[in-house]
Amino acid sequence: GENVEQHPSTLSVQEGDSAVIKCTYSDSASNYFPWYKQELGKGPQLIIDIRSNVGEKKDQRIAVTLNKTAKHFSLHITETQPEDSAVYFCAASGGGGTSYGKLTFGQGTILTVHP
Amino acid sequence: DGGITQSPKYLFRKEGQNVTLSCEQNLNHDAMYWYRQDPGQGLRLIYYSQIVNDFQKGDIAEGYSVSREKKESFPLTVTSAQKNPTAFYLCASSIFGGGNNEQFFGPGTRLTVL
Repeated sequence: GENVEQHPSTLSVQEGDSAVIKCTYSDSASNYFPWYKQELGKGPQLIIDIRSNVGEKKDQRIAVTLNKTAKHFSLHITETQPEDSAVYFCAASGGGGTSYGKLTFGQGTILTVHP
Repeated sequence: DGGITQSPKYLFRKEGQNVTLSCEQNLNHDAMYWYRQDPGQGLRLIYYSQIVNDFQKGDIAEGYSVSREKKESFPLTVTSAQKNPTAFYLCASSIFGGGNNEQFFGPGTRLTVL
């Protein structure tokens, strides 16, 4: 089945700096890669996603890039703000076989933005 | 207000007892999912259902059971066979199964075994 590795596990930045979180996946058949933000005590919320027919996607201060050959994808947050502080999860899905129908999540990154 | 509700928010259980966690959605989604989250770890899939009256085991199904008798409901039972049940449990739904659609998450239930 699919295996997703996420780095770093913690990331600390100053307000206004950029933050980058990276994930690798193992199943070359995976075709959907969402990123979720989870605030303390709440359920995760989708912030951006990308499909395998696209190399990059942007939404205001957030962007995701996908390298299918290397099987890795990254989340980029520019001009970080204190309210960006949360746990971020990457995930991969859409592969066949035992991975069909399932999202596999990375281990999460705790992002702290210092004012 | 459309969304996913989970109840209760906090649940305490004595060892050896079964307990059922509720998950309801009014989004008219076909697929529903149960995840377990432990500190410092990602979400691990317990069970999922792509359509009513059908469900599949996820990666950590041992000690858990589910049913999907109605489209809007997907209750999870944590049985006494689950060796380490204390965790944060998250329910999610997506418009279709297949895994490559956005999953919407509920607020979670924190289960503590005393």
